[in-house]
Amino acid sequence: EIVLTQSPDFQSVTPKEKVTITCRASQSIGSSLHWYQQKPDQSPKLLIKYASQSFSGVPSRFSGSGSGTDFTLTINSLEAEDAATYYCHQSTSLPWTFGQGTKVEIK
Amino acid sequence: EVQLVESGGSLVQPGGSLRLSCAASGFSFSSYEMNWVRQAPGKGLEWVSYISGGGTTIFYADSLKGRFTISRDNAKNSLYLQMNSLRAEDTAIYYCARRYCSSSNCLLDYWGQGTLVTVSS
Repeated sequence: EIVLTQSPDFQSVTPKEKVTITCRASQSIGSSLHWYQQKPDQSPKLLIKYASQSFSGVPSRFSGSGSGTDFTLTINSLEAEDAATYYCHQSTSLPWTFGQGTKVEIK
Repeated sequence: EVQLVESGGSLVQPGGSLRLSCAASGFSFSSYEMNWVRQAPGKGLEWVSYISGGGTTIFYADSLKGRFTISRDNAKNSLYLQMNSLRAEDTAIYYCARRYCSSSNCLLDYWGQGTLVTVSS
C-alpha cells in the first residue's frame, strides 16, 4: 500500500498569506497525485490533478508541483473562503489512498 | 452538469445490513468507472470499492473482508453498495465518486454529497 504523509496537519494563516502543504509518498507515483479541498459539511472537491494541472473552475491562486515522491500544494494569497481541509490522493496503485489531511484555519 | 446523489444511509444495529444508492446524471454513466469512498466522523478519507463501466471489474479495500458488494445498473444510471454484517467502525459518510481516466492516468473528479451510515445499538 502506498502511504501518503501530509505536513503540516494543521495551519493557522492570515488572509493574503501564502500557504504551502506537502505530501510525501512512500514510493514513486510519477505525477499521479491529486489534491482535494473539503470544506466543513461538504464533499471533497478536486483542485489539482496530476500533480500540477488545475481542475476546471479552480481559482488561479491554487497551484501544485512535484513528481515521484514529493508534492506540494500552494495557495497564494489565502482568502477566507479557503478555510478547509486539504487532502492528497494517489490513484496509481491499489488500494488507492489519501493523505491524512491538512486543516487550514483562517486567523 | 455532473451530479451524483447518494441515498440509503441510516441508523442500523451492529450485524445489520444496508443498501446505499447513488443516482448519476449529467454524463454518460456507463462510460465511467465508479467508486465508493467513506469518511468516519472527524476522520480522513478511505477508499472503499471500485467498479468498471460495464460492471465486470470490481475491487474492494482489504479491510472490508467480503462484507460489502458494489454493483451498478447502467440502464438506471445508478451505483449501489450492499453492506452486510455492519460494525461500529463502518460508521461514516459514504460518498460515490466518478473516476476519470486520461491515457491510463485516473483520478476521482466528481463526488456526491454523501450519505451517513451510523452503526449503533
